[in-house]
Formats: sequence, structure tokens, C-alpha cells
Amino acid sequence: RKEVEQDPGPFNVPEGATVAFNCTYSNSASQSFFWYRQDCRKEPKLLMSVYSSGNEDGRFTAQLNRASQYISLLIRDSKLSDSATYLCVVNMRGSQGNLIFGKGTKLSVKP
Amino acid sequence: DGGITQSPKYLFRKEGQNVTLSCEQNLNHDAMYWYRQDPGQGLRLIYYSQIVNDFQKGDIAEGYSVSREKKESFPLTVTSAQKNPTAFYLCASRGPGTSGRLQETQYFGPGTRLLVL
Repeated sequence: RKEVEQDPGPFNVPEGATVAFNCTYSNSASQSFFWYRQDCRKEPKLLMSVYSSGNEDGRFTAQLNRASQYISLLIRDSKLSDSATYLCVVNMRGSQGNLIFGKGTKLSVKP
Repeated sequence: DGGITQSPKYLFRKEGQNVTLSCEQNLNHDAMYWYRQDPGQGLRLIYYSQIVNDFQKGDIAEGYSVSREKKESFPLTVTSAQKNPTAFYLCASRGPGTSGRLQETQYFGPGTRLLVL
């Protein structure tokens, strides 16, 4: 079983739409959770951390369900500039800070 | 400005040649990492270093070597033993972000694209 699984997409949505991405992780010892954004042919950049209580940063909302080992990212009022690949990332306890990356979900926002 | 730099942006390797990719950071981070990304694939860990003069193999270390003689620098050598070196190579360091609201995690350099001639 893959350690971090994401739907690869692509998700094609119109500007202004709300879109949600999901991610599941296999290791219950996972400790920290993140969403990174990667633009085409660029490096991944941290979008936001994911906290147990859920957290919001502007149009972005991240949620964590430890019981189901499930992470989500919700983007409201999509902009053209949101087009990118979104990587779900997990850090396991005792892993010396090593991260496990999902393969990413591709989002394309159309005018 | 604090950050991570990688050079060169593009690198061409001939058959049987060793090439070295540079990674430098001025974030004062102790831990540094090298990843490889192939099209449509996730990031795979090649080597990592938690502290100067120490490094560990990642998931796909065969055909690669590293050194960590200085805190700021973590060069990666792709040796001739690596039979499929064409990929996007990403270096990262771990620590707090440069903005106050960013928590400790890994931050990436801009990457080096390695192509085989």
C-alpha cells in the first residue's frame, strides 16, 4: 500500500469555483501534515500546515481526520493563479524530519 | 535574503561521466536533503544529512554520493553507476521558514534538471 495517496487529477474548474482535494496516509504514526504547491517545472513550496483542529489561510482550508488517516484541502473562489500541482506531505514520528510526499493532484483553473 | 540556491539550472551529462550538483543554503538549517523527481512521479529521497560531517542514504542512493563538509553546503554527485540519471533534482533544508508564520518543515531550492547526452 502506498504511504501517501492522492487522486492525480487533473481537476479542471472554472474561475470562482470551489474545489477540494483529498489525501490518505497509511502510517498511523504520522505526526505532521502539510500541503505543498508545485508549479510546472518549479520546486515545491509550502502552502500550509495541517492541524488537527483544522486551519484556514485566506481562501484555503485544510483539515485532518486522524481516525480515518485522511487530509483535505479546500480552495474557495479559485483563481487562475491557483493552477498547479498540490502535494500532500506527511512527517512520521521518529523519522528524523524526513517527509513522505504524495504524487500530487493537478489543478487547472480556466477563465 | 535567506534561501536555498542550486546550480546549475540545467546540466548535461555524457555517458560514463560523473557530475556534481551544487546546493547552498544561508538559512542556518542543520538538516539538508536531496530528492529526485521524475515526470508524473513523487519526490524520492536520495540522501540526507542531519548535521555537518554526517549523512545517510535515502530510498534511492545507488549511483549517487554526497558530502557535508560545511553546514551551508550539500553537493550531490551523480556517478557513472547511475544508469538513468535524467530527472529533476531538488535540494531542501529543514528548519523554520523565513516568514514568521511558517513552521519547521523542508524548504526547497529551485532545482537542477539533469539530461543525458
